[in-house]
Amino acid sequence: NAGVTQTPKFQVLKTGQSMTLQCAQDMNHNSMYWYRQDPGMGLRLIYYSASEGTTDKGEVPNGYNVSRLNKREFSLRLESAAPSQTSVYFCASRTGAVGQPQHFGDGTRLSIL
Amino acid sequence: GQQVMQIPQYQHVQEGEDFTTYCNSSTTLSNIQWYKQRPGGHPVFLIQLVKSGEVKKQKRLTFQFGEAKKNSSLHITATQTTDVGTYFCAGDSGGYQKVTFGTGTKLQVIP
Repeated sequence: NAGVTQTPKFQVLKTGQSMTLQCAQDMNHNSMYWYRQDPGMGLRLIYYSASEGTTDKGEVPNGYNVSRLNKREFSLRLESAAPSQTSVYFCASRTGAVGQPQHFGDGTRLSIL
Repeated sequence: GQQVMQIPQYQHVQEGEDFTTYCNSSTTLSNIQWYKQRPGGHPVFLIQLVKSGEVKKQKRLTFQFGEAKKNSSLHITATQTTDVGTYFCAGDSGGYQKVTFGTGTKLQVIP
Protein backbone atom coordinates (compact mmCIF):
# COMPACT_ATOMS: atom_id res chain seq x y z
CA ASN A 1 0.00 0.00 0.00
CA ALA A 2 1.93 3.02 -1.27
CA GLY A 3 -0.70 5.65 -0.33
CA VAL A 4 0.42 9.03 -1.68
CA THR A 5 3.68 9.06 -3.63
CA GLN A 6 5.54 12.26 -4.44
CA THR A 7 8.45 12.64 -6.81
CA PRO A 8 11.10 13.87 -6.62
CA LYS A 9 11.96 13.91 -2.92
CA PHE A 10 14.60 16.61 -3.31
CA GLN A 11 15.33 19.15 -6.03
CA VAL A 12 17.58 22.16 -6.49
CA LEU A 13 16.71 24.66 -9.20
CA LYS A 14 18.13 27.89 -10.47
CA THR A 15 15.97 31.01 -10.58
CA GLY A 16 13.89 31.03 -13.75
CA GLN A 17 13.96 27.28 -14.32
CA SER A 18 10.74 25.34 -14.53
CA MET A 19 9.78 21.99 -13.10
CA THR A 20 6.84 19.77 -12.32
CA LEU A 21 6.24 18.03 -9.02
CA GLN A 22 4.41 14.75 -9.38
CA CYS A 23 1.87 13.24 -7.03
CA ALA A 24 -0.01 9.97 -7.33
CA GLN A 25 -2.37 8.18 -4.96
CA ASP A 26 -3.59 4.60 -5.07
CA MET A 27 -6.49 4.90 -2.62
CA ASN A 28 -9.16 5.79 -5.21
CA HIS A 29 -9.57 9.22 -3.59
CA ASN A 30 -11.53 11.92 -5.35
CA SER A 31 -9.92 14.99 -3.80
CA MET A 32 -6.27 15.99 -4.00
CA TYR A 33 -4.32 18.91 -2.59
CA TRP A 34 -1.00 20.72 -2.86
CA TYR A 35 0.45 22.53 0.15
CA ARG A 36 3.67 24.34 0.83
CA GLN A 37 5.34 24.47 4.23
CA ASP A 38 8.03 27.01 4.95
CA PRO A 39 10.44 26.54 7.91
CA GLY A 40 8.59 26.94 11.18
CA MET A 41 5.36 27.64 9.36
CA GLY A 42 2.10 25.89 8.92
CA LEU A 43 0.67 24.39 5.77
CA ARG A 44 -0.59 26.77 3.13
CA LEU A 45 -2.91 25.50 0.43
CA ILE A 46 -1.71 26.20 -3.11
CA TYR A 47 -4.32 24.43 -5.23
CA TYR A 48 -6.79 21.65 -4.78
CA SER A 49 -8.87 19.37 -6.93
CA ALA A 50 -12.22 18.37 -5.49
CA SER A 51 -12.70 15.74 -8.15
CA GLU A 52 -11.23 14.57 -11.42
CA GLY A 53 -11.52 17.33 -13.99
CA THR A 54 -11.72 20.24 -11.54
CA THR A 55 -9.09 22.43 -9.92
CA ASP A 56 -9.39 25.45 -7.65
CA LYS A 57 -7.06 28.01 -6.18
CA GLY A 58 -6.05 27.89 -2.55
CA GLU A 59 -4.45 30.59 -0.42
CA VAL A 60 -1.16 31.00 -2.33
CA PRO A 61 -1.66 30.03 -6.02
CA ASN A 62 0.51 32.71 -7.64
CA GLY A 63 3.49 31.30 -9.54
CA TYR A 64 2.01 27.79 -9.75
CA ASN A 65 -0.15 25.76 -12.09
CA VAL A 66 -1.72 22.36 -11.57
CA SER A 67 -3.05 19.53 -13.65
CA ARG A 68 -5.38 16.79 -12.51
CA LEU A 69 -4.23 14.30 -15.08
CA ASN A 70 -6.63 11.56 -14.00
CA LYS A 71 -8.14 10.36 -10.75
CA ARG A 72 -4.78 9.14 -9.45
CA GLU A 73 -2.43 11.96 -10.43
CA PHE A 74 -2.22 15.64 -9.55
CA SER A 75 0.85 17.58 -10.65
CA LEU A 76 2.16 20.98 -9.59
CA ARG A 77 4.18 23.10 -12.01
CA LEU A 78 6.49 26.00 -11.36
CA GLU A 79 6.87 27.84 -14.66
CA SER A 80 9.64 30.24 -13.64
CA ALA A 81 11.02 29.35 -10.23
CA ALA A 82 11.83 32.12 -7.75
CA PRO A 83 13.80 31.92 -4.47
CA SER A 84 10.57 32.70 -2.59
CA GLN A 85 9.27 29.33 -3.74
CA THR A 86 11.93 27.48 -1.76
CA SER A 87 9.85 25.26 0.49
CA VAL A 88 8.70 21.76 1.29
CA TYR A 89 5.76 20.77 -0.89
CA PHE A 90 3.22 18.25 0.31
CA CYS A 91 0.58 16.51 -1.73
CA ALA A 92 -2.46 15.07 0.03
CA SER A 93 -5.60 13.22 -0.92
CA ARG A 94 -8.88 12.19 0.65
CA THR A 95 -12.04 10.39 -0.33
CA GLY A 96 -13.99 13.50 -1.23
CA ALA A 97 -16.55 13.37 1.52
CA VAL A 98 -16.34 16.57 3.55
CA GLY A 99 -14.52 16.02 6.80
CA GLN A 100 -12.66 12.91 5.81
CA PRO A 101 -8.97 12.88 6.78
CA GLN A 102 -6.24 13.80 4.37
CA HIS A 103 -3.42 11.39 3.62
CA PHE A 104 -0.10 13.05 2.93
CA GLY A 105 2.89 12.13 0.84
CA ASP A 106 6.42 12.39 2.21
CA GLY A 107 7.00 15.78 0.60
CA THR A 108 9.35 17.32 -1.95
CA ARG A 109 12.12 19.50 -0.56
CA LEU A 110 12.70 22.21 -3.18
CA SER A 111 15.49 24.77 -3.09
CA ILE A 112 15.72 27.60 -5.60
CA LEU A 113 19.00 29.42 -5.88
CA GLY B 1 -10.94 34.27 3.58
CA GLN B 2 -11.10 31.79 6.39
CA GLN B 3 -8.28 31.95 8.91
CA VAL B 4 -7.38 29.38 11.53
CA MET B 5 -5.03 30.43 14.29
CA GLN B 6 -3.39 28.28 16.93
CA ILE B 7 -1.82 29.24 20.22
CA PRO B 8 0.75 28.90 21.48
CA GLN B 9 3.13 28.81 18.54
CA TYR B 10 5.74 26.95 20.60
CA GLN B 11 5.63 25.10 23.89
CA HIS B 12 8.44 23.51 25.87
CA VAL B 13 7.39 21.21 28.70
CA GLN B 14 9.14 18.89 31.09
CA GLU B 15 8.33 15.27 30.50
CA GLY B 16 5.30 14.39 32.60
CA GLU B 17 3.75 17.85 32.42
CA ASP B 18 0.48 18.51 30.63
CA PHE B 19 0.16 20.40 27.34
CA THR B 20 -2.72 22.19 25.63
CA THR B 21 -3.00 23.82 22.23
CA TYR B 22 -5.94 25.97 21.16
CA CYS B 23 -7.36 26.42 17.68
CA ASN B 24 -9.59 29.34 16.64
CA SER B 25 -11.32 29.81 13.32
CA SER B 26 -12.62 33.07 11.88
CA THR B 27 -15.64 31.20 10.50
CA THR B 28 -17.89 28.39 11.65
CA LEU B 29 -16.52 24.97 10.77
CA SER B 30 -18.47 21.93 9.68
CA ASN B 31 -15.85 19.74 11.32
CA ILE B 32 -12.32 19.93 12.66
CA GLN B 33 -9.43 17.54 12.33
CA TRP B 34 -6.17 17.27 14.21
CA TYR B 35 -2.86 16.20 12.74
CA LYS B 36 0.59 15.55 14.16
CA GLN B 37 3.80 16.17 12.24
CA ARG B 38 7.01 14.70 13.59
CA PRO B 39 10.24 16.58 12.80
CA GLY B 40 11.17 15.91 9.18
CA GLY B 41 7.94 14.04 8.55
CA HIS B 42 4.55 14.66 7.05
CA PRO B 43 1.27 15.43 8.84
CA VAL B 44 -0.54 12.38 10.12
CA PHE B 45 -4.24 12.39 10.94
CA LEU B 46 -5.14 11.98 14.62
CA ILE B 47 -8.86 12.55 14.97
CA GLN B 48 -11.95 14.32 13.65
CA LEU B 49 -14.65 16.18 15.58
CA VAL B 50 -17.99 16.95 14.01
CA LYS B 51 -20.59 17.81 16.64
CA SER B 52 -20.86 21.01 18.62
CA GLY B 53 -19.36 20.47 22.09
CA GLU B 54 -17.92 17.09 21.15
CA VAL B 55 -15.17 15.60 23.30
CA LYS B 56 -13.05 12.65 22.21
CA LYS B 57 -10.19 10.86 23.91
CA GLN B 58 -7.28 8.86 22.60
CA LYS B 59 -5.27 7.49 25.51
CA ARG B 60 -3.55 10.59 26.95
CA LEU B 61 -4.97 12.96 24.31
CA THR B 62 -8.28 14.78 24.76
CA PHE B 63 -9.86 16.73 21.93
CA GLN B 64 -12.72 19.22 22.25
CA PHE B 65 -14.85 21.04 19.69
CA GLY B 66 -16.42 24.30 20.83
CA GLU B 67 -20.15 24.87 21.14
CA ALA B 68 -20.08 27.47 18.36
CA LYS B 69 -17.92 25.19 16.18
CA LYS B 70 -15.33 27.93 15.79
CA ASN B 71 -12.73 26.68 18.24
CA SER B 72 -11.11 23.49 19.40
CA SER B 73 -8.45 22.27 21.77
CA LEU B 74 -6.04 19.38 22.17
CA HIS B 75 -4.86 18.44 25.64
CA ILE B 76 -2.09 15.94 26.33
CA THR B 77 -1.80 14.56 29.85
CA ALA B 78 1.60 13.60 31.21
CA THR B 79 3.64 14.29 28.09
CA GLN B 80 6.23 11.84 26.85
CA THR B 81 9.19 12.36 24.53
CA THR B 82 7.24 10.56 21.83
CA ASP B 83 4.74 13.46 21.84
CA VAL B 84 7.35 15.78 20.29
CA GLY B 85 6.19 17.36 17.05
CA THR B 86 3.93 20.01 15.61
CA TYR B 87 0.20 19.72 16.12
CA PHE B 88 -2.13 21.19 13.53
CA CYS B 89 -5.86 21.67 13.50
CA ALA B 90 -7.62 21.79 10.14
CA GLY B 91 -11.15 22.68 9.23
CA ASP B 92 -13.68 22.29 6.47
CA SER B 93 -16.26 25.01 6.06
CA GLY B 94 -19.44 24.60 4.12
CA GLY B 95 -19.74 21.97 1.47
CA TYR B 96 -16.49 22.73 -0.25
CA GLN B 97 -13.40 20.54 -0.40
CA LYS B 98 -11.12 23.39 0.61
CA VAL B 99 -9.37 22.67 3.90
CA THR B 100 -7.68 25.34 5.99
CA PHE B 101 -4.88 24.33 8.33
CA GLY B 102 -4.09 26.13 11.52
CA THR B 103 -0.73 27.75 12.10
CA GLY B 104 0.41 24.84 14.27
CA THR B 105 1.86 24.43 17.75
CA LYS B 106 5.34 23.00 18.04
CA LEU B 107 5.77 20.89 21.17
CA GLN B 108 9.16 20.16 22.65
CA VAL B 109 9.36 17.71 25.56
CA ILE B 110 12.38 17.94 27.83
CA PRO B 111 13.33 14.57 29.35
